[in-house]
Amino acid sequence: GIQVEQSPPDLILQEGANSTLRCNFSDSVNNLQWFHQNPWGQLINLFYIPSGTKQNGRLSATTVATERYSLLYISSSQTTDSGVYFCAVILTGGGNKLTFGTGTQLKVEL
Amino acid sequence: DAGVTQSPTHLIKTRGQHVTLRCSPISGHKSVSWYQQVLGQGPQFIFQYYEKEERGRGNFPDRFSARQFPNYSSELNVNALLLGDSALYLCASSIYGQLRHEQDNEQFFGPGTRLTVL
Repeated sequence: GIQVEQSPPDLILQEGANSTLRCNFSDSVNNLQWFHQNPWGQLINLFYIPSGTKQNGRLSATTVATERYSLLYISSSQTTDSGVYFCAVILTGGGNKLTFGTGTQLKVEL
Repeated sequence: DAGVTQSPTHLIKTRGQHVTLRCSPISGHKSVSWYQQVLGQGPQFIFQYYEKEERGRGNFPDRFSARQFPNYSSELNVNALLLGDSALYLCASSIYGQLRHEQDNEQFFGPGTRLTVL
């Protein structure tokens, strides 16, 4: 099956710092989503981005589908950004099944 | 607009028992998918239902079953519970279907049901 690897697995930042999270996937996809999972387990949609670049406030994302990777940029990080960030993909021809990556655990400190 | 809702929020069961989890999708969404997330891992796909038919199944035993109702809500049933079934169970909804627009398969998740099996 498709492999989805995220890096780094863990990240500790000082408030105000910037960071880049990476998602590599092993096969052609027609859906890629980034999620933030808060401490209560809720998965919050950040971006739907099978290709191209999008921005939403302090967050932006880029997916280069031909090279099979996606990047999530967090600028001016805040303590509320803490949690686990997942990318998830749907394989081309894979119906509606999301395959999640390994996750990046982010902690933002004062 | 209401998001995806799930009930109950938390549940404690003992080994061998049966459990039913419920999910209501976003209004207008016809696809519901179920995922299991064990501690420290990403969610794993269990089932997808669209228009009351099973459209996909993950690598889970037959103890897991689901159905979708005419109002597009869904139930996940787990029989003969094992300790390893302890997890956060997540429901996701999407428009899906004809994929007239690329973003029709974007999925939105509910708050989850945390199941503990003792």
